[in-house]
Amino acid sequence: DAGVTQSPTHLIKTRGQQVTLRCSPKSGHDTVSWYQQALGQGPQFIFQYYEEEERQRGNFPDRFSGHQFPNYSSELNVNALLLGDSALYLCASILSTGSMNSPLHFGNGTRLTVT
Amino acid sequence: AQTVTQSQPEMSVQEAETVTLSCTYDTSESDYYLFWYKQPPSRQMILVIRQEAYKQQNATENRFSVNFQKAAKSFSLKISDSQLGDAAMYFCAYRSPFQGGSEKLVFGKGTKLTVNP
Repeated sequence: DAGVTQSPTHLIKTRGQQVTLRCSPKSGHDTVSWYQQALGQGPQFIFQYYEEEERQRGNFPDRFSGHQFPNYSSELNVNALLLGDSALYLCASILSTGSMNSPLHFGNGTRLTVT
Repeated sequence: AQTVTQSQPEMSVQEAETVTLSCTYDTSESDYYLFWYKQPPSRQMILVIRQEAYKQQNATENRFSVNFQKAAKSFSLKISDSQLGDAAMYFCAYRSPFQGGSEKLVFGKGTKLTVNP
């Protein structure tokens, strides 16, 4: 049973550049969320995608955008990168019709470094 | 907005001993869900235990148990018979009940647990 997979594992970008991170949800899941985890902090919710639409968004600027494809996989795009965007980006998936206490399943994350 | 506070940045425990990690949260909701996640150096968040607020009975999963005090808005994690593999960052997380299909989690800042042999 394939879990949540994210690519790439690590990424180094220069300030001002754009980056795309990818996520494939756990088999059978249809909802994907993205979290940003700065060093030494807990994950912060960026946004969630369901049925190819953004369903909820956290307190992140419009430089952060996303997409969900018909196969439920998702991309996170960040434009005009800032040094402060350096973080671990976690993707999580869940089945929208699952039990209310069903947990999110997380991937191993993409470590983004902005220089 | 809900907030989650973990007041212990770091904790250590001897192998085979018991340790308790603290978590408090702030919410005006009466029904919600609480989770403890473990994040080892591999970076993947792994669910340790979950608790529904409407259940008075404390959740237990093998060596892991919680002390859920709803009135005090406290949700501590107890690890019994600690093992070297328990060493990791532990995050407490809050989730609102199903509203518009959101499964957003609010996390605390985490507690780094060291297990000494």
